[in-house]
Amino acid sequence: DVKVTQSSRYLVKRTGEKVFLECVQDMDHENMFWYRQDPGLGLRLIYFSYDVKMKEKGDIPEGYSVSREKKERFSLILESASTNQTSMYLCASSLVVRSGSYEQYFGPGTRLTVT
Amino acid sequence: DQQVKQNSPSLSVQEGRISILNCDYTNSMFDYFLWYKKYPAEGPTFLISISSIKDKNEDGRFTVFLNKSAKHLSLHIVPSQPGDSAVYFCAASGGYQKVTFGTGTKLQVIP
Repeated sequence: DVKVTQSSRYLVKRTGEKVFLECVQDMDHENMFWYRQDPGLGLRLIYFSYDVKMKEKGDIPEGYSVSREKKERFSLILESASTNQTSMYLCASSLVVRSGSYEQYFGPGTRLTVT
Repeated sequence: DQQVKQNSPSLSVQEGRISILNCDYTNSMFDYFLWYKKYPAEGPTFLISISSIKDKNEDGRFTVFLNKSAKHLSLHIVPSQPGDSAVYFCAASGGYQKVTFGTGTKLQVIP
């Protein structure tokens, strides 16, 4: 049974703080993803990684960076948190496939509030 | 530019009836489509998928239909149950690992 865990369920930070969100998966998946979910906007991809130390920008990477030093761990970094980064952050992982796309497995999410 | 659109933000259905959730896409490079279900305070969970070489895929009470010419897919839930009440996301992939999600439809099944 695939498990994706996120370091915090709820987080409150101040504007300008550096914020780290961590995600760990236990199924040896190559791919890992960070999304944010906002009302009326669905899930939007921030960054993804298809291998250790590899990363690619998603649709909304501005204001974020990521780190993947180990296969099972993918970190999202808010360099200087701003109020418009208040959101639900979701991490996911999946296998690599040659065509099509295997389903992604999601963590429970981190509700981040920036004040 | 929203490449995957779910135009109905919400839907209410009586228990036992059919629920039909719709999704439209604009990118003709998409060749694999998925539906996810999300309960409050939980991450989305995979429900069902379909490849572009098919026009229908069934899994128990859930059926996904794909109309490539119209760039439209739909999820049918028959019969609907109160436990199906959740937000449903449509998603699409273009042969790469990245998946594009829609905005979601909140389904309420009324007992």
